[in-house]
Amino acid sequence: KAGVTQTPRYLIKTRGQQVTLSCSPISGHRSVSWYQQTPGQGLQFLFEYFSETQRNKGNFPGRFSGRQFSNSRSEMNVSTLELGDSALYLCASSLGGSKGTFGSGTRLTVV
Amino acid sequence: QQPVQSPQAVILREGEDAVINCSSSKALYSVHWYRQKHGEAPIFLMILLKGGEQKGHDKISASFNEKKQQSSLYLTASQLSYSGTYFCGTAPIQGAQKLVFGQGTRLTINP
Repeated sequence: KAGVTQTPRYLIKTRGQQVTLSCSPISGHRSVSWYQQTPGQGLQFLFEYFSETQRNKGNFPGRFSGRQFSNSRSEMNVSTLELGDSALYLCASSLGGSKGTFGSGTRLTVV
Repeated sequence: QQPVQSPQAVILREGEDAVINCSSSKALYSVHWYRQKHGEAPIFLMILLKGGEQKGHDKISASFNEKKQQSSLYLTASQLSYSGTYFCGTAPIQGAQKLVFGQGTRLTINP
């Protein structure tokens, strides 16, 4: 059974640009959650999608958005990038509230 | 509100035991434990549910005290492979993959 796939693994962007990250969940998993991990703030919840609907949202500005497609793949978009957005972005897939399996993450560097 | 993990770091010799605590000021439905090694994705260890009993596999087990809103992770006869940062993620309701993670406990196992 394939795991959670996140692409790209690494990304370097300039301030003001926008970025789109992708997450393909484990087959059969309908829930995809996104987290931001930084040394200072740790792991912080961004949002969760379940069956193409945003079910939960964390305390991040509107520049952070996401969506989920009918095949459960999810994308996360960050617009008008700031230096503080540099982080490891992780997605986790689950059957819905149970054991979450994380992908390897996308390391975003904003310069 | 973020759960509080203690200790923040611990260094052990191989074969020694460790206990990591996770305390929340909010009522919890579940506590999820993960281990993350440097540069890798967090790996799921176990879930403790409200009303559930202590869980464990191999030499890693955990408990959940509902009255205290506290969970403890027990590692017995630690192995070198147990090194990493341990996170607890808490959820106040059933069915949502919106976890609030503690700051992590860094565990180092020396030969």
